Amino acid sequence: DADVTQTPRNRITKTGKRIMLECSQTKGHDRMYWYRQDPGLGLRLIYYSFDVKDINKGEISDGYSVSRQAQAKFSLSLESAIPNQTALYFCATSDWGTAGVETQYFGPGTRLLVL
Amino acid sequence: GESVGLHLPTLSVQEGDNSIINCAYSNSASDYFIWYKQESGKGPQFIIDIRSNMDKRQGQRVTVLLNKTVKHLSLQIAATQPGDSAVYFCPGDYKLSFGAGTTVTVRA
Repeated sequence: DADVTQTPRNRITKTGKRIMLECSQTKGHDRMYWYRQDPGLGLRLIYYSFDVKDINKGEISDGYSVSRQAQAKFSLSLESAIPNQTALYFCATSDWGTAGVETQYFGPGTRLLVL
Repeated sequence: GESVGLHLPTLSVQEGDNSIINCAYSNSASDYFIWYKQESGKGPQFIIDIRSNMDKRQGQRVTVLLNKTVKHLSLQIAATQPGDSAVYFCPGDYKLSFGAGTTVTVRA
């Protein structure tokens, strides 16, 4: 089973709709992240959370909100979807290994299309 | 702020040849650097890391070189295989942005 899972994997919605993307992890990591990926722009950080009580805005948080329901769950919401939020969304966790390097582990992604 | 960048957005390599992917960084205080690989339809995946007190680190068919003098990082892939076709990223410490990466295409 995958360590970081995302649901749904694909979603089509209409402008103005509220949608939620969910992320679950079984790695036991405290830190979780949401990114979006657009062609030619790479991965950009939306929100991140270092533990259940900690939420931080990333580079492009406008139009998004998050909820950290538990250590294992981190949800991303689009309150009122707009077409330029069409993108591939990734959830990630991170952990400090024994060598002192913080490594991220990504989910499979959610492809979102806003019409 | 910190910036990381990849010198070339695309790289086409003949199967069996060696590949070199380059990355420049601006934050001299970085304690380590990581390379990630993203295959089509998947999320990025860790390849190899190097601590800032090292010049070179080798993995299986991959070598990362760090030149702190010119703030340059490179990933070398030996005997490139079709499975090496992917986008390669070298993000900074704070994971703010992975940048567009370098897309490597392996020619048969």
